[in-house]
Amino acid sequence: AQSVTQLDSQVPVFEEAPVELRCNYSSSVSVYLFWYVQYPNQGLQLLLKYLSGSTLVKGINGFEAEFNKSQTSFHLRKPSVHISDTAEYFCAVSYGTSYGKLTFGQGTILTVHP
Amino acid sequence: DSGVTQTPKHLITATGQRVTLRCSPRSGDLSVYWYQQSLDQGLQFLIHYYNGEERAKGNILERFSAQQFPDLHSELNLSSLELGDSALYFCASSAHRDKTNYGYTFGSGTRLTVV
Repeated sequence: AQSVTQLDSQVPVFEEAPVELRCNYSSSVSVYLFWYVQYPNQGLQLLLKYLSGSTLVKGINGFEAEFNKSQTSFHLRKPSVHISDTAEYFCAVSYGTSYGKLTFGQGTILTVHP
Repeated sequence: DSGVTQTPKHLITATGQRVTLRCSPRSGDLSVYWYQQSLDQGLQFLIHYYNGEERAKGNILERFSAQQFPDLHSELNLSSLELGDSALYFCASSAHRDKTNYGYTFGSGTRLTVV
């Protein structure tokens, strides 16, 4: 079965510290990978995506993610977080056999403390 | 504003009732997706329509149904509501039938509370 696992349900961090949010997916020949952010009482906003090519993908708000095919991972990173990055982050995968449908992880709540 | 409009934003109803959630996709998008977000299940794919035709079904209960109209707006109908149906229901749209190259554009959701 296709599945996406976000390894941490909550990540607390201090402002200006680096952060990594981890995501693993079940292996497949062909995948598209996404990270979305959800601020309180809002919909999901696309942060970045990996389709092909360079394994390091840069997104909005200073976030980046690295695709690692051998480890079936797509971890999200930011070198220095701000209070405004406090939100819930979702990893999502589109599998080659079911393009169109996104399978989401359970989400990671990032809380940035002053 | 993402361009995807969902109405109503909040809905409170009693068990056993029926409700209709509405979604207008972003201009030019032909695909509409419905997702349910709950604390215990997370984000679950319900159904996908492309240009009026059903493309894929996910974990959608038989009590739930959806359709996409000629003007491309979509409605999700939930009937015989149970307490466990309380959730945030998201609509998302994209320009494509099957490809997710560009990801989706999500609406802000309808929060359904069943009492």
